[in-house]
Amino acid sequence: GAVVSQHPSWVICKSGTSVKIECRSLDFQATTMFWYRQFPKQSLMLMATSNEGSKATYEQGVEKDKFLINHASLTLSTLTVTSAHPEDSSFYICSAPSGIADNEQFFGPGTRLTVL
Amino acid sequence: GEDVEQSLFLSVREGDSSVINCTYTDSSSTYLYWYKQEPGAGLQLLTYIFSNMDMKQDQRLTVLLNKKDKHLSLRIADTQTGDSAIYFCAERKGGGNKLTFGTGTQLKVEL
Repeated sequence: GAVVSQHPSWVICKSGTSVKIECRSLDFQATTMFWYRQFPKQSLMLMATSNEGSKATYEQGVEKDKFLINHASLTLSTLTVTSAHPEDSSFYICSAPSGIADNEQFFGPGTRLTVL
Repeated sequence: GEDVEQSLFLSVREGDSSVINCTYTDSSSTYLYWYKQEPGAGLQLLTYIFSNMDMKQDQRLTVLLNKKDKHLSLRIADTQTGDSAIYFCAERKGGGNKLTFGTGTQLKVEL
């Protein structure tokens, strides 16, 4: 199947700093990518849909100024957690659809963010 | 409540079959998926089924879909210790690519 990578795989930062997470589709192009957040032992919650060349679409309750998304090319989307606080600590996972009618969705390995 | 529900935990013996169940509420779902997540890792797409199908088999995996009851199941034949993980079902609703995930089922395979 298609491969999606994320960088970094884990990051520890101080409260108040900003952290950027990259999501890349390695062997296919993706006009749309998705960002999820997962708390320990919980399911994935969709945060936003990243659209290449246009603004991201955020899910209800997700602060767009807090979680900045940029989809500058067909293979790269970035999520920046601005002014991070301990409650932002989580596992962030991106995905990108591929295949006929985008019927398959492939996930990155995730980024573990810990805010001290 | 959740749009997509799963039982939280399943324990089986190595070599037995595992059946993981999922119920969803949106009859307009076009595709239904099964993903596997190992500790600290992303999600691995195992298989998916189109909503007009009743069954799909792929090696040790069998997916059954009962659209009338909005019930999806994943059967893993000859379960191995490497199958221990959390399994998520997900539905894709008509017209878009967004997925709604179930609560996840932790499968534990014992020797």
